[in-house]
Amino acid sequence: EPEVTQTPSHQVTQMGQEVILRCVPISNHLYFYWYRQILGQKVEFLVSFYNNEISEKSEIFDDQFSVERPDGSNFTLKIRSTKLEDSAMYFCASSDSMLVLVNEQFFGPGTRLTVL
Amino acid sequence: AQRVTQPEKLLSVFKGAPVELKCNYSYSGSPELFWYVQYSRQRLQLLLRHISRESIKGFTADLNKGETSFHLKKPFAQEEDSAMYYCALRVTSGSRLTFGEGTQLTVNP
Repeated sequence: EPEVTQTPSHQVTQMGQEVILRCVPISNHLYFYWYRQILGQKVEFLVSFYNNEISEKSEIFDDQFSVERPDGSNFTLKIRSTKLEDSAMYFCASSDSMLVLVNEQFFGPGTRLTVL
Repeated sequence: AQRVTQPEKLLSVFKGAPVELKCNYSYSGSPELFWYVQYSRQRLQLLLRHISRESIKGFTADLNKGETSFHLKKPFAQEEDSAMYYCALRVTSGSRLTFGEGTQLTVNP
């Protein structure tokens, strides 16, 4: 069964460094999402992406964040200058349809980002 | 803005006992409601959605618009049901999911 994959599983970085989190959505999916979960808190939406542009973003997704689909398979989240409070688990998700009955978001296993 | 509340962080029951995980939401329109489950060391996966009105792994959930609730129920809990359960809301198809805080369910033998 096809799955969303994410790399790396764990990323450790120094404050102020740039990080790129990578996701490979399910191959025929068209809608892509990033969520994050700070330890002990709820899963929070960051951004959604469709047709090579951002379709929705949250207040968390400020100028430090960007997303890209550089080729036909990868979907990346870049954090330009990491802060301590960016430490979290980052989840990628994808879905294949806008139709209500079938529009399920499939989640990746997550990347744990630790900012020191 | 929409909000989802799961009042219980931890819930512990014995095998064979009924279980109910509570979920309340606030949104002025007609949202879609979901339950996601995360088993130990596995990814988040959809358990069920209100629009399907189905039973998955013995779990059911009924949307109560009057009480703005979407509680998850199972009449006889099994040990393999032990997991983290998240209630989530979506305003329109394709839009963001808004999650509750999650309830860690432990089913004891």
